[in-house]
Amino acid sequence: NAGVTQTPKFRVLKTGQSMTLLCAQDMNHEYMYWYRQDPGMGLRLIHYSVGEGTTAKGEVPDGYNVSRLKKQNFLLGLESAAPSQTSVYFCASRSGTGMYSNQPQHFGDGTRLSIL
Amino acid sequence: AQKVTQAQTEISVVEKEDVTLDCVYETRDTTYYLFWYKQPPSGELVFLIRRNSFDEQNEISGRYSWNFQKSTSSFNFTITASQVVDSAVYFCALSEGGGSYIPTFGRGTSLIVHP
Repeated sequence: NAGVTQTPKFRVLKTGQSMTLLCAQDMNHEYMYWYRQDPGMGLRLIHYSVGEGTTAKGEVPDGYNVSRLKKQNFLLGLESAAPSQTSVYFCASRSGTGMYSNQPQHFGDGTRLSIL
Repeated sequence: AQKVTQAQTEISVVEKEDVTLDCVYETRDTTYYLFWYKQPPSGELVFLIRRNSFDEQNEISGRYSWNFQKSTSSFNFTITASQVVDSAVYFCALSEGGGSYIPTFGRGTSLIVHP
């Protein structure tokens, strides 16, 4: 019963390096989200997807790109990492159609990313 | 635009005390959903409760209870006889009806329960 799985769990990067965070869900959910969590700031939405092949910008999209080529996967990319992107990243998913709309989100365990 | 305010940044109590976490929301929709999530020190986010705007009944689950009042746009969370294991950050969230894709989260309240 995996739910939402994020990889990796920890990563340290140097400024300017690139990397991809992977989120995989096995609940056949339509909606997927990437958040970042910083002290005192709560959860801020980076990008989200309402279905396979679609993505949209959230509150803080700059410096990030996403892709949803398969329904179960949502990738978050950092093209050129900056120290300001040091954060904990959470992926979430939820069902979103018809009577199942506005269901609670299921979250992954988070990825702790440090940019030096 | 929807908004969620959790005015209490941090609350510190001693075990067995009752504690209430406040959540005030703003929305123009008549149909909306409210949520509470818990984030313990281990870091994962755990769903606690969902309430829709047409159901103002209070809910009780063990030591946890939720008070939803549309008149004051509040959805407060009370923990009775708090325990050290209740120490966590608690988030309130709002999702507007009509197929809204994006829930809005409050900034969270950090609850510290001392033994």
